[in-house]
Amino acid sequence: DAKTTQPPSMDCAEGRAANLPCNHSTISGNEYVYWYRQIHSQGPQYIIHGLKNNETNEMASLIITEDRKSSTLILPHATLRDTAVYYCIVKQAGNMLTFGGGTRLMVKP
Amino acid sequence: ETGVTQTPRHLVMGMTNKKSLKCEQHLGHNAMYWYKQSAKKPLELMFVYSLEERVENNSVPSRFSPECPNSSHLFLHLHTLQPEDSALYLCASSQARGVPWGYTFGSGTRLTVV
Repeated sequence: DAKTTQPPSMDCAEGRAANLPCNHSTISGNEYVYWYRQIHSQGPQYIIHGLKNNETNEMASLIITEDRKSSTLILPHATLRDTAVYYCIVKQAGNMLTFGGGTRLMVKP
Repeated sequence: ETGVTQTPRHLVMGMTNKKSLKCEQHLGHNAMYWYKQSAKKPLELMFVYSLEERVENNSVPSRFSPECPNSSHLFLHLHTLQPEDSALYLCASSQARGVPWGYTFGSGTRLTVV
């Protein structure tokens, strides 16, 4: 599975959009981009995934660049409860889910 | 609740004890997983069961012994653990391995070995 690079930490003001970047320059054509988050001492929570097209659900939007070498997870109106570690993972559909260090997002009042 | 239930939530055990962690899902998923998360480390995949058959074992010491009696239940049997085994143990489930859907995680068991 392709390697991903994320900033170790980010801050965001409450009520503003949080834009979390992820680089995956070695991604192959059949690999999906997944985003999970982990609130302190809880299990990771699935947020969204995509292959080529941008995706949106009730939690977030996923923007994937045309060359698929990077993506951005957007939380449109961040709240204090969105403070968590966010993981960007690239993998083929049948492969195991493996986690890196992620981005620690701190939403501040 | 995520649909994946882990018990107990907290466990303190001595190095000579034998205990078991339990995971249960009623999401109709066919694959189940054990992960370990030590302090300030990424999650590590320990075991994978697909359709009740163990399909992956990532060089986990034999003092950890998984069991998957059916597609809804997963156990992790623990014996003669070491203090460095203290961690958050997470169970997850997913649809069959060939589909791109996400995993659903439980809330974990916080294990302390004394």
